[in-house]
Amino acid sequence: AQSVAQPEDQVNVAEGNPLTVKCTYSVSGNPYLFWYVQYPNRGLQFLLKYITGDNLVKGSYGFEAEFNKSQTSFHLKKPSALVSDSALYFCAVRDVAGGGNKLTFGTGTQLKVEL
Amino acid sequence: GAVVSQHPSRVICKSGTSVKIECRSLDFQATTMFWYRQFPKQSLMLMATSNEGSKATYEQGVEKDKFLINHASLTLSTLTVTSAHPEDSSFYICSASGEEKLFFGSGTQLSVL
Repeated sequence: AQSVAQPEDQVNVAEGNPLTVKCTYSVSGNPYLFWYVQYPNRGLQFLLKYITGDNLVKGSYGFEAEFNKSQTSFHLKKPSALVSDSALYFCAVRDVAGGGNKLTFGTGTQLKVEL
Repeated sequence: GAVVSQHPSRVICKSGTSVKIECRSLDFQATTMFWYRQFPKQSLMLMATSNEGSKATYEQGVEKDKFLINHASLTLSTLTVTSAHPEDSSFYICSASGEEKLFFGSGTQLSVL
């Protein structure tokens, strides 16, 4: 069975500072990893994904994530946070071996960027 | 623009009534659609997976007679909450998958009075 852990319920960052939202995963085979952002009362918006290749993945709105196989992590990062980045962030994993597009989501991390 | 359209975005209904939520893929054929439920400040919980033309597969603990899913075409899936009760109040999100694509709808906030 596949699973995702987001250890932090909330992350607070000052605008202009770098931010990191943590994610670790567990799958039986090779993972497909995703980050989504959700604004209040809205659906999920895709940020980025890792399937294969370069461990550093660049996505929308200046976000990036680094795939670390030995640590089974896929932390989301941004060099300089904006107040508008404040939202709920979800990490998700899909087990390649399992087939299909069934995603398992983490519990989400609320990012709050303050002036 | 949005590639998955979910409608309505918000619905308020009386207890005992049924509510239908539509999920449409706009520019690709969705062979599989997923329905999620999200409680405030919680993660998305997969309710069911539906493949076009066949019966939906429900996750453990989800009542199939309560949450009716129809996926009759490659561009449309519907979720009907039958005889809704206040405990069914939640945010429902669909996801459409096909042609190597996966997109989410914008969600439906259901409030049952």
